[in-house]
Amino acid sequence: DAKTTQPNSMESNEEEPVHLPCNHSTISGTDYIHWYRQLPSQGPEYVIHGLTSNVNNRMASLAIAEDRKSSTLILHRATLRDAAVYYCILLSGIQGAQKLVFGQGTRLTINP
Amino acid sequence: DTGVSQDPRHKITKRGQNVTFRCDPISEHNRLYWYRQTLGQGPEFLTYFQNEAQLEKSRLLSDRFSAERPKGSFSTLEIQRTEQGDSAMYLCASSLAGSKGEAFFGQGTRLTVV
Repeated sequence: DAKTTQPNSMESNEEEPVHLPCNHSTISGTDYIHWYRQLPSQGPEYVIHGLTSNVNNRMASLAIAEDRKSSTLILHRATLRDAAVYYCILLSGIQGAQKLVFGQGTRLTINP
Repeated sequence: DTGVSQDPRHKITKRGQNVTFRCDPISEHNRLYWYRQTLGQGPEFLTYFQNEAQLEKSRLLSDRFSAERPKGSFSTLEIQRTEQGDSAMYLCASSLAGSKGEAFFGQGTRLTVV
């Protein structure tokens, strides 16, 4: 399983942007980059995913490096409800080899 | 559809007893996953199904663990002869097959073995 590396924890202030980095130097050409987050006492929830191009949705943006060996999840204006553990996961594009393998993730703390 | 539901939400059992958990996925989803999560750790993959076929099992899944998805809809995870080390949150997720499909997780079943 391709591995990702994330900082254990990050801290930011409410209403400021947050950039959560992820390194995935062993990514293969068929791997998609997925981000999930887990709020306290809840199951993980999908945030965003991408392959090569930057992606935006209502929750966040995903910036993918040109060589695809790293990516950054961007929360444009953090709120207290964004405090969670954020997981960066590589999901194989090969049928029959697709499962989400979670690492330790980054625990994001938002200060009021 | 209200999403992925898991039952029960909490289970306390004595060591050595068998327990069974149920997961009802989102109705049109053909993929179903089971994970285990202990405090402070990320979810650990246990197994997953596409329709009724169990496609992969983690080495973490000892022979005391068995999962089924008999008609390709709901799934059960059974743990036989529970041990204290089995205490964890057991999470179920479902998705549509394909790398673009986001997975939806249930709230989990918290197992405590005393």
